[in-house]
Amino acid sequence: GQNIDQPTEMTATEGAIVQINCTYQTSGFNGLFWYQQHAGEAPTFLSYNVLDGLEEKGRFSSFLSRSKGYSYLLLKELQMKDSASYLCAAMDSNYQLIWGAGTKLIIKP
Amino acid sequence: GAVVSQHPSWVICKSGTSVKIECRSLDFQATTMFWYRQFPKQSLMLMATSNEGSKATYEQGVEKDKFLINHASLTLSTLTVTSAHPEDSSFYICSARRLAGDSYEQYFGPGTRLTVT
Repeated sequence: GQNIDQPTEMTATEGAIVQINCTYQTSGFNGLFWYQQHAGEAPTFLSYNVLDGLEEKGRFSSFLSRSKGYSYLLLKELQMKDSASYLCAAMDSNYQLIWGAGTKLIIKP
Repeated sequence: GAVVSQHPSWVICKSGTSVKIECRSLDFQATTMFWYRQFPKQSLMLMATSNEGSKATYEQGVEKDKFLINHASLTLSTLTVTSAHPEDSSFYICSARRLAGDSYEQYFGPGTRLTVT
């Protein structure tokens, strides 16, 4: 079956760094997405990885290892506004997104 | 670019009535639109995938006669919740994928919060 695993909740301190891990099992693979979702709002796109390696975009970076079925989202210089749920989604061979349950990130001052 | 709108943003209706939600891609043409439902503190649940001019493909467990989807053009898809009941109360989110796909990114609408009383 198809499955995405990510931690349910994480806590970090303002100004620190946090890494949110995601492992996936899909029928075929066409890339890995990370989305941010604030409470009561729709998800917003953060990153897309289809090749192995690290993609950096400002304070946010995303890493992919296809051989390990593993990705992580790295958030640096955490700000209070980064408190949100972070959704990992893998795209299968039918270009369908398989969603993780999301990781709720709590930022403390 | 790549803006998706939804209307209404929130709606309250009585049990037994029908509610229509519109999803529009404002500045691009969408080959495919997706409808999701999200209950509090849960992840997105894909309800159906629709391609312009063809019938929607529903996920297992989603009643196609209850959740009517029409994808009349490359910029508009509608979801009608027929004979709504309190258990249909949820956050409904649509997303759209570009016609000229590059990363197959889905652009999300702002969501519609439905409350059935």
